[in-house]
Amino acid sequence: TQLLEQSPQFLSIQEGENLTVYCNSSSVFSSLQWYRQEPGEGPVLLVTVVTGGEVKKLKRLTFQFGDARKDSSLHITAAQPGDTGLYLCAGDRGSTLGRLYFGRGTQLTVWP
Amino acid sequence: EAQVTQNPRYLITVTGKKLTVTCSQNMNHEYMSWYRQDPGLGLRQIYYSMNVEVTDKGDVPEGYKVSRKEKRNFPLILESPSPNQTSLYFCASKVTGVGYTEAFFGQGTRLTVV
Repeated sequence: TQLLEQSPQFLSIQEGENLTVYCNSSSVFSSLQWYRQEPGEGPVLLVTVVTGGEVKKLKRLTFQFGDARKDSSLHITAAQPGDTGLYLCAGDRGSTLGRLYFGRGTQLTVWP
Repeated sequence: EAQVTQNPRYLITVTGKKLTVTCSQNMNHEYMSWYRQDPGLGLRQIYYSMNVEVTDKGDVPEGYKVSRKEKRNFPLILESPSPNQTSLYFCASKVTGVGYTEAFFGQGTRLTVV
């Protein structure tokens, strides 16, 4: 059973469109992270959200942590081909030396 | 430069031939882990280590061993590889601070067992 469910699994859109990726759980997390992975590379951290209701912006990317700290979303405005990649959410249950729980990822393809 | 280094990047081996994938980090992180990534299954944790000489099983530990004799190194050992261990493997170290958690990943090892 996956602790973090991501949707959609695949997303194929045209350049300029907006999109939202969701990361949901029935468990509470002390923080959630979003990573992006390009082919042949390891995932790289985009952002960490910690406070329930928190919203963080990274250029055209907006990340939100749910009020109950059980879910998160990633919204991309005016997607570009350079946004293509695998987006992974990961949750931290609060222990400094605790494991991260990863969602299965959303494969985003943005066509020119 | 802060990094996690895995070797080799690519490996083709035969069933039953013992192999080791090395992992080293230069950030003095206490927490390290190994994942395998398969299409449709995401990142699945194999083993993790919270400090030197402290290791524990993740979600898919069968067929794998690890050791943590030094803080910087966390090798993954396949004593008798089988074709179902063909996968993309990632080593990672993790740091957690106030309002901050980040996992640093190596570049991956693509293993093929024939």
